[in-house]
Formats: sequence, C-alpha cells, structure tokens
Amino acid sequence: GENVEQHPSTLSVQEGDSAVIKCTYSDSASNYFPWYKQELGKRPQLIIDIRSNVGEKKDQRIAVTLNKTAKHFSLHITETQPEDSAVYFCAASSPLRRGSTLGRLYFGRGTQLTVWP
Amino acid sequence: DAGVTQSPTHLIKTRGQQVTLRCSPKSGHDTVSWYQQALGQGPQFIFQYYEEEERQRGNFPDRFSGHQFPNYSSELNVNALLLGDSALYLCASSPWPGDYGYTFGSGTRLTVV
Repeated sequence: GENVEQHPSTLSVQEGDSAVIKCTYSDSASNYFPWYKQELGKRPQLIIDIRSNVGEKKDQRIAVTLNKTAKHFSLHITETQPEDSAVYFCAASSPLRRGSTLGRLYFGRGTQLTVWP
Repeated sequence: DAGVTQSPTHLIKTRGQQVTLRCSPKSGHDTVSWYQQALGQGPQFIFQYYEEEERQRGNFPDRFSGHQFPNYSSELNVNALLLGDSALYLCASSPWPGDYGYTFGSGTRLTVV
C-alpha cells in the first residue's frame, strides 16, 4: 500500500514568516493529494488539494506544489498568522487497483505548526 | 446544511467490552469511511461503506466491524476492546467513490481503561 512521510513533525515560525511542510509518497499511482488542518480537539478540515495532473495550486496565502517524478508534494503558507497554529496533515489517495477509481486516503503523521506573535 | 455528525463525543469503556459509534453523513453524500486517529498520529483507514456494503478495508482486525443503513448513516462496532483501541474515531463522508470531497465529523474520543 501507499506510504506517506511528512516532515517536519514540529515547526515554529514568527508571525509574518513563511512555513513549508513537505511530504513524500511511495505509490506512483496516487493521484490526489489533500492537506488538512486540525485544531486541538476539532475535526480535520480540508484547506487545499491538488490532483496529479496539476503542478501547483494557490488559494490566497496557501499553496501546494506537486512533483510527480520525485513523488513529493509541499504545503506553503505565506504571511503566517497566530490562527494558523494547528496540526497539518498531508494525505495521498491511491487507487485500490490499477485503473480503479476506488481509493482511500493515506495520511502523514502530521506537523505541529506554531506561529508566534 | 448539517455536516457530518458523530455520536457520542466521548466514551469510556473497560477492556473486553464492546462499543458502537454512530455517524450521519453530510447531506448529499452516500459513502462513509471510518478512521482511527491515535494520539499524535495521522488518521488510519479502517473501512469504507457504500450501498450498505463494506467496499474496502484497512489493516484492522475482525474485531472492528461496521454497518451502513439505507439512509447512508453508519455504525462502527469494536468488540473485545483493548487498551490500544483508545483513540479518536473519525467518520468521513463523501460522494462515491469515496476519496475526493471528504468531510470529517468531529469524532468520538474512545478511552479504554
């Protein structure tokens, strides 16, 4: 099955700085890569996602890049704010079988982002 | 429009007992997936239900079973609870085939003592 590695496990930045979280995946058939933000005691919430036919996607201060050749994708947060503090999870969706649309999400272990005022 | 609702929010059980967790999917979603999130870890896939059938399963023992009802709601049952089953259990609903467009519930925090 798919294996998703996420780094770093913790990240501290000053307000206004940028934060970058990186993930690698093992299954070249994986075709969908969402990022989730989970605040303490709350549900994971989708913040951005990217399909395998796209190299980069932006949404205001958040961007995701995908390198299919190297099998890695990254989350970039610019102009960080204290309310960005949370655990961020990357995930990859790998088809159950070749040619199948049936998939599941494989999650990384998470990055605790702390933004200091 | 209600999102995904899970009940109960918290639960304490004794080793060896059985537990049932419930999930109502977001309106318009027909696929329900269950995940286990241990403290400090990412969610791990347990299984997925669509059209009242288990469609795929993660690496979890048979003590974990589920059900989906005609109204798309779902239950997760865990028998013979172990201390290691203590975790946050998340339900996610989506349109079929079940990996895009996930919406997570707030989870059930299960503590086994």
